[in-house]
Amino acid sequence: EPEVTQTPSHQVTQMGQEVILRCVPISNHLYFYWYRQILGQKVEFLVSFYNNEISEKSEIFDDQFSVERPDGSNFTLKIRSTKLEDSAMYFCASSDPIVGTENYGYTFGSGTRLTVV
Amino acid sequence: GQQVMQIPQYQHVQEGEDFTTYCNSSTTLSNIQWYKQRPGGHPVFLIQLVKSGEVKKQKRLTFQFGEAKKNSSLHITATQTTDVGTYFCAGRRNDMRFGAGTRLTVKP
Repeated sequence: EPEVTQTPSHQVTQMGQEVILRCVPISNHLYFYWYRQILGQKVEFLVSFYNNEISEKSEIFDDQFSVERPDGSNFTLKIRSTKLEDSAMYFCASSDPIVGTENYGYTFGSGTRLTVV
Repeated sequence: GQQVMQIPQYQHVQEGEDFTTYCNSSTTLSNIQWYKQRPGGHPVFLIQLVKSGEVKKQKRLTFQFGEAKKNSSLHITATQTTDVGTYFCAGRRNDMRFGAGTRLTVKP
């Protein structure tokens, strides 16, 4: 079964540093998403991406964050000047456009655990 | 903004008992999805409901979407230890917003 792949599985960074979280969505998917989950809390929407641009973003996704699809396979989330409260599990997801996002759920990756120290 | 509320936050049941989690949205949804997240894992898609009043079943799991498309429920009949995890609803209006989840534990 196709998978969404995320790397690294765990990233430790110093406060103020920049991190890039990487995702390889399912190859025929065209809709991509980033979510985060602070330990023990709910899954929070960050951003959705389609046709090489952001289609929706939440109030969490401020100027500190950016997303990019640098080539045909990778989808990245960059967090500039990390803060302690950015520590969370970051999930990438993708969905199938062929039958429309109305009919299929999102496939999530296994996540990157970001720890800011 | 769009909010999706889910209750209860926790539910502990004896194996064989039933379990229900409820989801309510502050706005009318175009669809609702349900996900299961095992401890230490990632959300895994269970089902999507689109139509008003829709009911879908997956073995011991029954999913309902309210007539007003603002609420939904997941009911598990005769829970098993393999049902352990957190069940999230996720409602779509523009983007997909998750409820806080219901953490289910099952005592053998």
